[in-house]
Amino acid sequence: KAGVTQTPRYLIKTRGQQVTLSCSPISGHRSVSWYQQTPGQGLQFLFEYFSVTQRNKGNFPGRFSGRQFSNSRSEMNVSTLELGDSALYLCASSGDRSYEQYFGPGTRLTVT
Amino acid sequence: AQKITQTQPGMFVQEKEAVTLDCTYDTSDQSYGLFWYKQPSSGEMIFLIYQGSYDEQNATEGRYSLNFQKARKSANLVISASQLGDSAMYFCAMRELTYTNAGKSTFGDGTTLTVKP
Repeated sequence: KAGVTQTPRYLIKTRGQQVTLSCSPISGHRSVSWYQQTPGQGLQFLFEYFSVTQRNKGNFPGRFSGRQFSNSRSEMNVSTLELGDSALYLCASSGDRSYEQYFGPGTRLTVT
Repeated sequence: AQKITQTQPGMFVQEKEAVTLDCTYDTSDQSYGLFWYKQPSSGEMIFLIYQGSYDEQNATEGRYSLNFQKARKSANLVISASQLGDSAMYFCAMRELTYTNAGKSTFGDGTTLTVKP
């Protein structure tokens, strides 16, 4: 079974630009969660989608948004990038009958 | 609100020895799950082990075991027979096991484990 995939793996953007990250969950998984990891703040929950609907949201500004498609693939978008948005963005998927979350390799975003 | 505390920023262990990584948690939820993840320098988070709050027995997965003490709100990870490949950052996490919060995990700050040959 293929694992969680994330594209792109690395990204360099300039302040003020916007960026879209993609996540494909494990086949059959309907839940996709997004996390931001930085040295200063650690791992923080961004949002979670389940069957196309946003089921939960963390404490991030409205510049951070996401969506999920009918095939469970998910995207997150960050508009008006700031230097502080530089981070490793991880997505995780989980199945309906298990509690484990399986993570992708992450997208490392650098904002200059 | 949920909180995870990992008090050991860094740990060293000799190859083939056992090591315990500490994790304490705080929650008012009755039904929750505790998880441990390994994050090598490549960045990917690897799921290691899960313990449910209602599970009476400690979870084990190969060389990993979770020492769950509910009254003390601790969920320590024990790695037996350490290997050089175990060198990584280890995160303790928890999640409320409800429909609404099933996808939201709270993580500790992590412990960097270094295995010495």
